[in-house]
Amino acid sequence: DSGVTQTPKHLITATGQRVTLRCSPRSGDLSVYWYQQSLDQGLQFLIQYYNGEERAKGNILERFSAQQFPDLHSELNLSSLELGDSALYFCASSHTEDRASGANVLTFGAGSRLTVL
Amino acid sequence: QKEVEQDPGPLSVPEGAIVSLNCTYSNSAFQYFMWYRQYSRKGPELLMYTYSSGNKEDGRFTAQVDKSSKYISLFIRDSQPSDSATYLCAGGWNFNKFYFGSGTKLNVKP
Repeated sequence: DSGVTQTPKHLITATGQRVTLRCSPRSGDLSVYWYQQSLDQGLQFLIQYYNGEERAKGNILERFSAQQFPDLHSELNLSSLELGDSALYFCASSHTEDRASGANVLTFGAGSRLTVL
Repeated sequence: QKEVEQDPGPLSVPEGAIVSLNCTYSNSAFQYFMWYRQYSRKGPELLMYTYSSGNKEDGRFTAQVDKSSKYISLFIRDSQPSDSATYLCAGGWNFNKFYFGSGTKLNVKP
């Protein structure tokens, strides 16, 4: 168990629908990252929040949105779903592994598998 | 062009072999590099990370970064069937956003 909790583990829905994926970061981690993993695209960075504020944005579609709440859990909202949105969605949280270099190492959750039919 | 390129494999080796996994990256500003291992139906887990160029060793694993050629390598010595997984490399220029390769699937045969 990595300490990052994601729910639901599996989700099957229809095109045009909206879903919400939830993530609880490791205890003490302030940053939450969302990634999408599909077979043909690999692991794609979507968005990052730090202590409730958006810090970085990647290839996130306008139909997708996220937020981080005061208790630091985060939700990723996917709307007007299309077949191509079927993927594994990972949440990761970060801490500083090496204070000298300032690198933030990501700890991933087990993912939420979304299937859009 | 993707920021980080990785051969998807699959790579199949016999138990005990030395495994070499490689990635290239395009952005010369990258300073942070990581290797993650992902078992089937699980989230990626950190194996090693390096800052800037050079080698880093941890048990049977050695990570190597050559910034002059923009090349990232992971070597696994005495490979075991339990090493069978997908290996993802990643690079970035700050700690907010990393770019991942698409992963190389490794199969270590007993």
